[in-house]
Amino acid sequence: SQTIHQWPATLVQPVGSPLSLECTVEGTSNPNLYWYRQAAGRGLQLLFYSVGIGQISSEVPQNLSASRPQDRQFILSSKKLLLSDSGFYLCAWSFRGGGVGEQFFGPGTRLTVL
Amino acid sequence: DQQVKQNSPSLSVQEGRISILNCDYTNSMFDYFLWYKKYPAEGPTFLISISSIKDKNEDGRFTVFLNKSAKHLSLHIVPSQPGDSAVYFCAASLLNAGNNRKLIWGLGTSLAVNP
Repeated sequence: SQTIHQWPATLVQPVGSPLSLECTVEGTSNPNLYWYRQAAGRGLQLLFYSVGIGQISSEVPQNLSASRPQDRQFILSSKKLLLSDSGFYLCAWSFRGGGVGEQFFGPGTRLTVL
Repeated sequence: DQQVKQNSPSLSVQEGRISILNCDYTNSMFDYFLWYKKYPAEGPTFLISISSIKDKNEDGRFTVFLNKSAKHLSLHIVPSQPGDSAVYFCAASLLNAGNNRKLIWGLGTSLAVNP
């Protein structure tokens, strides 16, 4: 069976500090990978998605970047965090290609920028 | 422009009664619709989906109805239980030019089931 891991679970960082959130998927190959952010009281905002190693699509202009160094590893980064980067970050994966498009989510990382 | 709309930010129902969560969409190219449930500080979990060629799909206490002409779908939970209290997201699935599926999300409805 497939599992998705995210860490850390919570993070408190000062403004201007760097960020690295990691996500790994087990039990499947060639997944599509996604990074979402949920701001307080808001919906899910898609930040990045990847259909393969080194292939990253950005959905919204922002202070963040993503990388996919390995097939089942997805990293969300920032060189300098802003207050507005606070939120709940979710990594998700889906099967490549057709089907329904169901996405499977990790447990999330609560980021607080002070 | 919100292509998937959940116009009720919150809903409160009594335990044992029916919960009805609504979702409207604008893009007729969506060919699947999905409902997810999310507890605080956790990732969303998939509940149920429906193909655009169907008008109903049922799984236990959960039934999704699709009215394609009205571009409207609803999730019915019967009977509602306190453990159903969560945020429910409606998502629409679309096949993009690269033959990959993309989900377009609503903003969610927070359901509270009162004992």
